[in-house]
Amino acid sequence: GAVVSQHPSWVICKSGTSVKIECRSLDFQATTMFWYRQFPKQSLMLMATSNEGSKATYEQGVEKDKFLINHASLTLSTLTVTSAHPEDSSFYICSARGDPLTNTEAFFGQGTRLTVV
Amino acid sequence: SQQGEEDPQALSIQEGENATMNCSYKTSINNLQWYRQNSGRGLVHLILIRSNEREKHSGRLRVTLDTSKKSSSLLITASRAADTASYFCAPLRNQGGKLIFGQGTELSVKP
Repeated sequence: GAVVSQHPSWVICKSGTSVKIECRSLDFQATTMFWYRQFPKQSLMLMATSNEGSKATYEQGVEKDKFLINHASLTLSTLTVTSAHPEDSSFYICSARGDPLTNTEAFFGQGTRLTVV
Repeated sequence: SQQGEEDPQALSIQEGENATMNCSYKTSINNLQWYRQNSGRGLVHLILIRSNEREKHSGRLRVTLDTSKKSSSLLITASRAADTASYFCAPLRNQGGKLIFGQGTELSVKP
């Protein structure tokens, strides 16, 4: 299958600082990218959906000013957690999908373990 | 809501046995997808079944879809310890729909 690379795989940051997570589709053009967070032993919670060149669509309850998403190109999307707090500690996962008319499956990055201290 | 609900929440079997997981959903769909997540990793796409299909195979995986009952099942035959993971279904209303996941089925295959 296609490859989605997420970086970094883990990060530790201090409260109040910002952290940027990158998600790249390496061998296909990602029309749409999804960002999820996952707490231990729980399911993935969809945070937002972004289409290349457009503003991200956030799910209810997700603060768009705190979780900044940029999808400036067909191969790169970034999630910036601004002014991070310990409660933002979680596992963040991105996924990317190409043209939905030809392929609706999504490919996932390896995830980023964020710890805010 | 669009998400699927997997059942059972947890399943423990011996290597070589078959594992069956079920997914129920509430809306009409265009297709339904199954994914696997190994602990601490991203998800891996396993198989996609379209609304006009009733059964699909991929290696040791067999997926069925019953749109009248709004349910799907994933069968893993001759399970291996490496199949230990969480399994999620994702029903999609349309081809460009969002992938929303339920709690998943946590499968443990003991050697």
